[in-house]
Amino acid sequence: EAQVTQNPRYLITVTGKKLTVTCSQNMNHEYMSWYRQDPGLGLRQIYYSMNVEVTDKGDVPEGYKVSRKEKRNFPLILESPSPNQTSLYFCASSPYRGDEKLFFGSGTQLSVL
Amino acid sequence: AQRVTQPEKLLSVFKGAPVELKCNYSYSGSPELFWYVQYSRQRLQLLLRHISRESIKGFTADLNKGETSFHLKKPFAQEEDSAMYYCALSAYWMDSNYQLIWGAGTKLIIKP
Repeated sequence: EAQVTQNPRYLITVTGKKLTVTCSQNMNHEYMSWYRQDPGLGLRQIYYSMNVEVTDKGDVPEGYKVSRKEKRNFPLILESPSPNQTSLYFCASSPYRGDEKLFFGSGTQLSVL
Repeated sequence: AQRVTQPEKLLSVFKGAPVELKCNYSYSGSPELFWYVQYSRQRLQLLLRHISRESIKGFTADLNKGETSFHLKKPFAQEEDSAMYYCALSAYWMDSNYQLIWGAGTKLIIKP
């Protein structure tokens, strides 16, 4: 089944403890992106990648890192999480940048205490 | 600046009543607009795009450039329409920059 897989679904951590949220797609998509969803703010893009080894900042990149070593994987790294990074995170992919039919993961609810 | 506004955080209507989810945009170029939907316990997915001029699950949306709006409409709401709806704008600038700009979302509740 073609899909975007995110893990974990739920994560509770403490301030400063490094964490990684994984994202993998099996559709050979070039474009991948991370969003955070906060009440009243909609989806805000954190980082995106147009292809392997090509990543760029979105609207709210501070406090996050990404890597794209393989086409299928696009992990989101929080080196030193803070409470203001408590949010619902979504990974998405599409065949190429500019194709608005994004395929979304099921989301990761992160709580930073 | 590019912006998408969904003025209603929550919209509640009775089954069988008409539904209109509002979306307004601000964009200097030629707009391309979309509606995404997230049903309970499901992933966010594309519902429809204005260039297709299609009707999906009974929903339609017409781009009104004069009013800079892209409202989502359905004449008779069904309970299964209850979901979170997002309006999005495809924005290009400075030749090569691109971004999908999202509204804050409207939660639609259809009452039996």
